[in-house]
Amino acid sequence: GAVVSQHPSRVICKSGTSVKIECRSLDFQATTMFWYRQFPKQSLMLMATSNEGSKATYEQGVEKDKFLINHASLTLSTLTVTSAHPEDSSFYICSAPPGGPSDTQYFGPGTRLTVL
Amino acid sequence: RKEVEQDPGPFNVPEGATVAFNCTYSNSASQSFFWYRQDCRKEPKLLMSVYSSGNEDGRFTAQLNRASQYISLLIRDSKLSDSATYLCVVNRPNDYKLSFGAGTTVTVRA
Repeated sequence: GAVVSQHPSRVICKSGTSVKIECRSLDFQATTMFWYRQFPKQSLMLMATSNEGSKATYEQGVEKDKFLINHASLTLSTLTVTSAHPEDSSFYICSAPPGGPSDTQYFGPGTRLTVL
Repeated sequence: RKEVEQDPGPFNVPEGATVAFNCTYSNSASQSFFWYRQDCRKEPKLLMSVYSSGNEDGRFTAQLNRASQYISLLIRDSKLSDSATYLCVVNRPNDYKLSFGAGTTVTVRA
């Protein structure tokens, strides 16, 4: 099956700092990747769609200037949480569909962000 | 109303038991339905897609009721390893993106 990795798996940072999370498709190319956020005991919420070669599209209510997305290549998308605050503490998960945006999504292992 | 709603549980069942639970979705135009499994503090993993006629994968059976807009999952002969949170996932009809339920927690005890 398709493999998606994320790095780092866990990060603890001080309030006000920026944190970059990487999502890589290891054995396929992905023109589209998705970024989700999950708070404890809640559902995954789609934050944005990362598009290789073009701007990301953000879901309603997600600040694009706070959550910067860069889809640098067909195997790498990065999410940068800028000026992180404690309320940004969450589980961030990316996914990638091998066969295009409508294909089955394979998820990365997630990044647990804790902002002190 | 949430796009996808699930009974959070938990469903506590003994090994070997059968457990079943549903989820409801709000948009009647949704076309694709899935059950994902999520273990504690891990990423979701696809358990099975749900087809109109219902489908089975080993001990797991999924059903779709379009008229009532609900999906069900039944687990037969529960194993300890089935303990997890099961996420009901539905596609958004206007695009290919997915809406997730908050999950139903199942705990299988020895």
